[in-house]
Amino acid sequence: SYVLTQPPSVSVAPGQTARITCGGNNIAIKSVHWYQQKPGQAPVLVVYDNSDRPSGIPERFSGSNSGNAATLTISRVEAGDEADYYCQVWDRTTDHSWVFGGGTKLTVL
Amino acid sequence: EVQLLESGGDLIQPGGSLRLSCAASGFTFSTYAMNWVRQAPGEGLEWVSSISDGGTRTYYADSVRGRFTISRDNSKNTLYLQMNSLRVEDTAVYYCAKGDSRLFDFWGQGTLVTVSS
Repeated sequence: SYVLTQPPSVSVAPGQTARITCGGNNIAIKSVHWYQQKPGQAPVLVVYDNSDRPSGIPERFSGSNSGNAATLTISRVEAGDEADYYCQVWDRTTDHSWVFGGGTKLTVL
Repeated sequence: EVQLLESGGDLIQPGGSLRLSCAASGFTFSTYAMNWVRQAPGEGLEWVSSISDGGTRTYYADSVRGRFTISRDNSKNTLYLQMNSLRVEDTAVYYCAKGDSRLFDFWGQGTLVTVSS
């Protein structure tokens, strides 16, 4: 089955840029989606199809996908961005399965 | 406003059965695929099962195939997950999620299933 690999944690100071990676074999051919989950809350979709934002998500959230890694970039990080972030793809090659990365804890210093 | 309200979570012994429900509102339920995603305590997200808009196509993670059954009643705007032969490792918050065939664009608040003797 397809595997997505994320760093367990990323730390960044307020106002700086956070980059969270999601590694997968030739992930560039897949559409990658990103979710934000704050403690005690349900996940929220923040980026879909590699780089699109749902309505209501700040422009500070952006994404890219190339080669074997996709990246979620959060510009001008705020304290409220502290959360767990998960990448996800749909793997049609294995009888249709939806795969999540292990998640990255973003800490705002 | 889209709303998804899960119910049915409980403390259940290993080997037992439980049915989760997810009541949907705020969108045309019958035109969207629906999904269950779970999260064990302190762990990440794990996709469990998906069902097509009409209910004719269903998909399962290997970890639950043969034990769980997803279904929906479009006349009641409700999604279900029948869980049989429950194991300790099925302990998790179970989220109902609306989506298309590729992603999950809205999630409910979840219902806790605890499997323990």
